[in-house]
Amino acid sequence: EAQVTQNPRYLITVTGKKLTVTCSQNMNHEYMSWYRQDPGLGLRQIYYSMNVEVTDKGDVPEGYKVSRKEKRNFPLILESPSPNQTSLYFCASSFGTGTNSPLHFGNGTRLTVT
Amino acid sequence: AQKVTQAQTEISVVEKEDVTLDCVYETRDTTYYLFWYKQPPSGELVFLIRRNSFDEQNEISGRYSWNFQKSTSSFNFTITASQVVDSAVYFCALSSYTGANSKLTFGKGITLSVRP
Repeated sequence: EAQVTQNPRYLITVTGKKLTVTCSQNMNHEYMSWYRQDPGLGLRQIYYSMNVEVTDKGDVPEGYKVSRKEKRNFPLILESPSPNQTSLYFCASSFGTGTNSPLHFGNGTRLTVT
Repeated sequence: AQKVTQAQTEISVVEKEDVTLDCVYETRDTTYYLFWYKQPPSGELVFLIRRNSFDEQNEISGRYSWNFQKSTSSFNFTITASQVVDSAVYFCALSSYTGANSKLTFGKGITLSVRP
């Protein structure tokens, strides 16, 4: 089944403790991206990647890192999480780097930083 | 800069009523795409429709229909004979053809509650 898989689904952590949210897609998509969803703000893009070893900042990249060493994986790294990073995170992928194909989203990771 | 406005924040209807979700967008690009996504209570984002800026034909899919009007920069979504399973948050989104970043600019979402 074609899908985008994020793990974990839920995560509670403390301020400053490094964490990684994994994202994997099995559709051989070139493009991958991370979004965060906050009440009243909709979804905002954090980082994106057009292909292996090619990443760039989205609208709200501060406090996040990403890597794209393999085509299928695009982990989101929070080196020193803070409470304002408490949010619902979505990974997404699409076949092309343009807008011809719709983004396929993972099921989300709900992160709480205390 | 791109912007998507979903002025309605919450809508509550009784089952079998028709309901229209409004979406107004702003962009300077001549080529762009518009999307609707559904987020049920379980939290995942479900793709509903994509429409490109050159195709103003309305679309119907079962109980769902979409009205795209470039003249008013609107892409409204109508659910006919709503059902309880339609209860969800609905997002309208806009993407420009940059060739590099498939970034979607989302509206803030509309929470639809369908009561039995």
